[in-house]
Amino acid sequence: GAVVSQHPSWVICKSGTSVKIECRSLDFQATTMFWYRQFPKQSLMLMATSNEGSKATYEQGVEKDKFLINHASLTLSTLTVTSAHPEDSSFYICSAIPGQGAYEQYFGPGTRLTVT
Amino acid sequence: GDSVTQMEGPVTLSEEAFLTINCTYTATGYPSLFWYVQYPGEGLQLLLKATKADDKGSNKGFEATYRKETTSFHLEKGSVQVSDSAVYFCASNKAAGNKLTFGGGTRVLVKP
Repeated sequence: GAVVSQHPSWVICKSGTSVKIECRSLDFQATTMFWYRQFPKQSLMLMATSNEGSKATYEQGVEKDKFLINHASLTLSTLTVTSAHPEDSSFYICSAIPGQGAYEQYFGPGTRLTVT
Repeated sequence: GDSVTQMEGPVTLSEEAFLTINCTYTATGYPSLFWYVQYPGEGLQLLLKATKADDKGSNKGFEATYRKETTSFHLEKGSVQVSDSAVYFCASNKAAGNKLTFGGGTRVLVKP
Protein backbone atom coordinates (compact mmCIF):
# COMPACT_ATOMS: atom_id res chain seq x y z
CA GLY A 1 0.00 0.00 0.00
CA ALA A 2 0.81 3.74 0.01
CA VAL A 3 2.02 3.93 -3.57
CA VAL A 4 2.69 7.24 -5.25
CA SER A 5 3.27 7.52 -8.98
CA GLN A 6 4.64 10.31 -11.13
CA HIS A 7 4.24 10.94 -14.82
CA PRO A 8 6.27 11.35 -16.88
CA SER A 9 9.37 9.73 -15.43
CA TRP A 10 11.55 11.87 -17.64
CA VAL A 11 10.93 14.70 -20.06
CA ILE A 12 13.00 16.84 -22.39
CA CYS A 13 11.61 20.18 -23.47
CA LYS A 14 12.80 23.26 -25.26
CA SER A 15 13.54 26.50 -23.50
CA GLY A 16 10.45 28.70 -23.23
CA THR A 17 7.91 25.88 -23.24
CA SER A 18 5.85 24.61 -20.30
CA VAL A 19 5.90 21.15 -18.81
CA LYS A 20 3.32 19.49 -16.58
CA ILE A 21 4.25 16.77 -14.10
CA GLU A 22 1.57 14.64 -12.45
CA CYS A 23 1.69 13.08 -9.01
CA ARG A 24 -0.90 10.48 -8.06
CA SER A 25 -1.60 8.56 -4.88
CA LEU A 26 -2.71 5.18 -6.21
CA ASP A 27 -4.20 3.44 -3.21
CA PHE A 28 -4.97 6.17 -0.71
CA GLN A 29 -6.37 9.66 -0.53
CA ALA A 30 -3.93 12.43 0.10
CA THR A 31 -5.17 15.74 1.38
CA THR A 32 -1.59 17.00 1.42
CA MET A 33 1.12 16.50 -1.17
CA PHE A 34 4.57 18.01 -1.36
CA TRP A 35 6.80 18.93 -4.26
CA TYR A 36 10.57 18.71 -3.99
CA ARG A 37 13.46 19.50 -6.23
CA GLN A 38 16.71 17.61 -6.08
CA PHE A 39 19.99 18.56 -7.70
CA PRO A 40 22.62 15.89 -8.42
CA LYS A 41 24.15 14.44 -5.28
CA GLN A 42 22.21 16.81 -3.06
CA SER A 43 19.37 16.57 -0.61
CA LEU A 44 15.76 17.37 -1.42
CA MET A 45 14.64 20.97 -1.42
CA LEU A 46 10.99 21.48 -0.54
CA MET A 47 9.32 23.71 -3.12
CA ALA A 48 5.73 23.79 -1.97
CA THR A 49 2.99 22.16 0.05
CA SER A 50 -0.13 21.31 -1.90
CA ASN A 51 -3.48 20.95 -0.16
CA GLU A 52 -6.51 19.59 -1.96
CA GLY A 53 -8.94 22.31 -2.90
CA SER A 54 -6.78 25.23 -1.81
CA LYS A 55 -3.81 27.22 -3.01
CA ALA A 56 -0.37 25.77 -2.57
CA THR A 57 2.01 27.15 0.03
CA TYR A 58 5.38 27.93 -1.50
CA GLU A 59 8.69 27.92 0.29
CA GLN A 60 10.72 31.08 0.40
CA GLY A 61 12.56 31.74 -2.83
CA VAL A 62 10.31 29.55 -5.00
CA GLU A 63 8.55 31.48 -7.75
CA LYS A 64 4.86 30.65 -7.58
CA ASP A 65 4.19 32.03 -11.04
CA LYS A 66 6.85 29.81 -12.53
CA PHE A 67 6.01 26.61 -10.68
CA LEU A 68 2.24 26.28 -10.82
CA ILE A 69 0.75 23.69 -8.50
CA ASN A 70 -2.78 22.38 -8.70
CA HIS A 71 -4.24 19.84 -6.29
CA ALA A 72 -7.63 19.29 -7.85
CA SER A 73 -8.51 15.97 -6.23
CA LEU A 74 -7.54 13.80 -3.29
CA THR A 75 -5.37 11.63 -5.52
CA LEU A 76 -3.81 14.06 -7.97
CA SER A 77 -1.49 17.03 -7.78
CA THR A 78 0.23 18.62 -10.75
CA LEU A 79 3.31 20.78 -11.06
CA THR A 80 3.63 22.91 -14.17
CA VAL A 81 6.99 24.47 -14.94
CA THR A 82 6.15 27.49 -17.06
CA SER A 83 8.51 29.08 -19.57
CA ALA A 84 11.16 26.56 -18.69
CA HIS A 85 14.84 27.45 -18.87
CA PRO A 86 17.94 25.25 -18.69
CA GLU A 87 18.43 26.15 -15.03
CA ASP A 88 15.08 24.49 -14.31
CA SER A 89 16.58 21.15 -15.31
CA SER A 90 16.39 18.97 -12.24
CA PHE A 91 14.86 15.91 -10.61
CA TYR A 92 11.38 16.73 -9.30
CA ILE A 93 9.90 14.48 -6.64
CA CYS A 94 6.46 14.54 -5.07
CA SER A 95 5.28 12.98 -1.86
CA ALA A 96 1.93 12.41 -0.22
CA ILE A 97 0.64 11.90 3.28
CA PRO A 98 -1.87 9.06 3.70
CA GLY A 99 -4.48 10.73 5.86
CA GLN A 100 -4.81 13.61 8.26
CA GLY A 101 -3.12 11.97 11.20
CA ALA A 102 -0.07 10.50 9.49
CA TYR A 103 3.48 11.71 9.96
CA GLU A 104 5.31 9.77 7.27
CA GLN A 105 5.36 10.78 3.65
CA TYR A 106 5.38 8.42 0.70
CA PHE A 107 7.38 9.48 -2.30
CA GLY A 108 6.91 9.18 -6.00
CA PRO A 109 9.72 7.84 -8.18
CA GLY A 110 10.62 11.30 -9.45
CA THR A 111 10.59 13.08 -12.80
CA ARG A 112 13.79 14.10 -14.50
CA LEU A 113 13.34 17.33 -16.44
CA THR A 114 15.90 18.44 -19.00
CA VAL A 115 15.44 21.81 -20.66
CA THR A 116 17.46 22.37 -23.80
CA GLY B 1 14.33 26.33 13.35
CA ASP B 2 14.33 22.56 13.17
CA SER B 3 17.30 20.86 11.54
CA VAL B 4 18.71 17.42 10.86
CA THR B 5 22.42 16.72 10.56
CA GLN B 6 23.86 13.50 9.26
CA MET B 7 27.35 12.35 8.52
CA GLU B 8 28.70 13.20 5.14
CA GLY B 9 29.60 10.49 2.72
CA PRO B 10 30.49 8.77 0.72
CA VAL B 11 30.82 5.75 2.93
CA THR B 12 32.52 2.84 1.23
CA LEU B 13 32.26 -0.61 2.77
CA SER B 14 32.94 -4.19 1.90
CA GLU B 15 30.09 -6.67 1.80
CA GLU B 16 29.13 -8.06 5.23
CA ALA B 17 30.68 -5.06 7.01
CA PHE B 18 28.88 -3.15 9.77
CA LEU B 19 27.26 0.12 8.76
CA THR B 20 26.52 3.12 10.97
CA ILE B 21 25.22 6.44 9.72
CA ASN B 22 24.98 9.11 12.39
CA CYS B 23 22.00 11.44 12.54
CA THR B 24 21.20 14.15 15.06
CA TYR B 25 18.29 16.54 15.15
CA THR B 26 17.28 19.81 16.71
CA ALA B 27 13.63 20.56 17.29
CA THR B 28 11.27 22.05 19.78
CA GLY B 29 9.29 19.24 21.30
CA TYR B 30 9.59 15.64 20.20
CA PRO B 31 9.41 15.05 16.48
CA SER B 32 8.85 11.79 14.67
CA LEU B 33 12.03 10.53 13.03
CA PHE B 34 12.56 8.70 9.76
CA TRP B 35 15.17 7.11 7.58
CA TYR B 36 14.55 7.15 3.86
CA VAL B 37 16.61 5.38 1.20
CA GLN B 38 17.07 6.50 -2.39
CA TYR B 39 18.36 4.06 -4.98
CA PRO B 40 19.97 5.46 -8.14
CA GLY B 41 17.48 7.22 -10.38
CA GLU B 42 14.55 6.62 -8.05
CA GLY B 43 12.48 8.50 -5.52
CA LEU B 44 12.74 8.02 -1.78
CA GLN B 45 11.48 4.96 0.04
CA LEU B 46 10.60 4.94 3.70
CA LEU B 47 13.05 2.59 5.39
CA LEU B 48 12.01 2.89 9.02
CA LYS B 49 10.54 5.30 11.54
CA ALA B 50 10.19 6.02 15.25
CA THR B 51 7.57 8.28 16.75
CA LYS B 52 8.67 8.63 20.37
CA ALA B 53 11.69 8.41 22.62
CA ASP B 54 13.27 4.95 22.98
CA ASP B 55 11.30 3.59 20.03
CA LYS B 56 13.33 1.37 17.75
CA GLY B 57 12.50 1.32 14.06
CA SER B 58 13.64 -1.66 12.04
CA ASN B 59 13.31 -2.94 8.49
CA LYS B 60 15.37 -5.08 6.11
CA GLY B 61 18.07 -5.58 8.73
CA PHE B 62 18.40 -1.87 9.43
CA GLU B 63 17.72 -0.44 12.87
CA ALA B 64 17.60 2.98 14.48
CA THR B 65 16.69 3.98 18.03
CA TYR B 66 15.17 7.33 18.97
CA ARG B 67 17.48 8.74 21.65
CA LYS B 68 15.99 11.79 23.29
CA GLU B 69 18.93 12.42 25.60
CA THR B 70 21.39 12.67 22.73
CA THR B 71 18.83 13.89 20.14
CA SER B 72 20.02 11.16 17.80
CA PHE B 73 18.62 8.54 15.46
CA HIS B 74 21.63 6.65 14.14
CA LEU B 75 21.07 4.04 11.43
CA GLU B 76 22.80 0.67 11.75
CA LYS B 77 23.02 -2.58 9.85
CA GLY B 78 25.10 -5.49 10.97
CA SER B 79 26.00 -6.98 7.60
CA VAL B 80 25.57 -4.91 4.45
CA GLN B 81 25.04 -6.22 0.95
CA VAL B 82 25.92 -4.75 -2.42
CA SER B 83 22.21 -4.06 -2.89
CA ASP B 84 22.32 -1.66 0.08
CA SER B 85 24.31 0.80 -2.02
CA ALA B 86 22.16 3.92 -2.05
CA VAL B 87 21.74 7.36 -0.51
CA TYR B 88 20.25 7.42 2.97
CA PHE B 89 18.34 10.41 4.32
CA CYS B 90 17.47 11.09 7.93
CA ALA B 91 14.38 13.24 8.45
CA SER B 92 12.18 14.64 11.19
CA ASN B 93 8.57 15.76 11.35
CA LYS B 94 7.08 17.69 14.23
CA ALA B 95 3.42 17.25 13.48
CA ALA B 96 1.06 15.06 11.51
CA GLY B 97 0.64 16.35 7.99
CA ASN B 98 3.63 18.60 8.39
CA LYS B 99 6.61 18.95 6.09
CA LEU B 100 9.71 16.87 6.64
CA THR B 101 13.06 18.33 7.56
CA PHE B 102 15.81 16.37 5.78
CA GLY B 103 19.45 15.83 6.48
CA GLY B 104 21.90 16.23 3.64
CA GLY B 105 21.96 12.54 2.75
CA THR B 106 24.74 9.98 3.04
CA ARG B 107 25.87 8.02 0.02
CA VAL B 108 26.79 4.42 0.82
CA LEU B 109 28.72 2.21 -1.56
CA VAL B 110 29.08 -1.47 -0.76
CA LYS B 111 31.73 -3.32 -2.70
CA PRO B 112 31.67 -7.09 -3.21
